[in-house]
Order: sequence, then C-alpha cells, then structure tokens
Amino acid sequence: NAGVMQNPRHLVRRRGQEARLRCSPMKGHSHVYWYRQLPEEGLKFMVYLQKENIIDESGMPKERFSAEFPKEGPSILRIQQVVRGDSAAYFCASSPNRGRTYNEQFFGPGTRLTVL
Amino acid sequence: DQQVKQNSPSLSVQEGRISILNCDYTNSMFDYFLWYKKYPAEGPTFLISISSIKDKNEDGRFTVFLNKSAKHLSLHIVPSQPGDSAVYFCAVILGPMNRDDKIIFGKGTRLHILP
Repeated sequence: NAGVMQNPRHLVRRRGQEARLRCSPMKGHSHVYWYRQLPEEGLKFMVYLQKENIIDESGMPKERFSAEFPKEGPSILRIQQVVRGDSAAYFCASSPNRGRTYNEQFFGPGTRLTVL
Repeated sequence: DQQVKQNSPSLSVQEGRISILNCDYTNSMFDYFLWYKKYPAEGPTFLISISSIKDKNEDGRFTVFLNKSAKHLSLHIVPSQPGDSAVYFCAVILGPMNRDDKIIFGKGTRLHILP
C-alpha cells in the first residue's frame, strides 16, 4: 500500500507564475489536508477536503490560493501569481473516513516551493 | 498568537540517556495531543498520542505525559538512540466533536543524540 504521494518534490517558480501542487492520498483514504511550513516554523493548517467538497478552508490565504479534490485524480493546491513569501514546504496528509474517534493523518514527503 | 508552544528549539542528549521534550498549550478545550517526528526532506510521521482523559501513554521507548491543569505535555524517550535525531513536533486537535481534525502544530524541537 503506497503512502501519500506528492509531486513535484521541488518546484521553482518566478514571481507572478502559477504553482500547482499535487497530492495522491493513500488508497482508501477520502480525506485530504494541506499544511504549509515556512522556514523555522511549524506546519500550519491550510485546508481540509473530501472528494468534491471543501470542508474547512480557514487556513487558506484569502487571495491567490485555491484547492480541489475532484472525484477522480489527485488533490491540487493551486497558487496563482506567486510571490517570494509563498516559498515554503507544502505537505499533504490523508486519513480514512472520519468516525467518532480521531483518525491518524498520514503525511506525504512534501513539495518544496521556491519563488525566485 | 501561538496555541502550541515548544520553547526549546533544540536539545542535545547523550546516547543511552533520557530525552525529554516539552510542550505547552493555551486552549483547555484541546482534546487530543500528538507527537510527530520529522527527518529532513520527509513528511512528519506520527509517533505517539494521548487523549485528554489520560495522563500517560507509553509505546516502547516513548512515553507521553499530559498535565491538563498546567496545560503541559512532555515526550520522554528512553534510552535515546542515534536514529532518534530528528525534529519533534508537538501537536493538538480539537477532537471528534469538532467538524474536522485539523492539527495545530508547535514550531518543533530539533533533537540531537550525541554518540
């Protein structure tokens, strides 16, 4: 059973370009979470998605950032018109169906975005 | 304002000794507490957790202690091994009654195990 997969692992963009980060959850997992880690910081929650639904996007910047988790295919985190401050490691995590108890989130290896 | 605080950015411990990593939190409503371990260029991996109804949970060399009145938890690793060298994140979630399980992370403590 493959783990959470993220690609690309490294992404370099110039200011003003778009960045697309992909996340394939573990098999059987229908919940996806995106986190961002700025240098010397902990991971910060961005968005929580289920298939075709955004459940909680309270951690997403109001502009330029969007996320989706379509019925088929990976979850996509999209950053439009990137700025230097977007340079960070972006981690995706997945978990199985949510029950009455906490379900462990399994993290992918991350995508390191560098904005020149 | 940080809800989860790890006040020691780094910690060095001799191999074979006990490593103690500390964490403080601000919200008494937090229901579930976790420790994650992270190696460079990898994602965090879950290490151990504790529910708010307990004060101790043990898994092999790892023990987590929770002091709810002090809003403090700690991770003990004994004996420490070279492979334990990593960044350790303390994390909390609000619990299953909340609508999601988003994790709130501390900034991490870098643990160095010295030979």
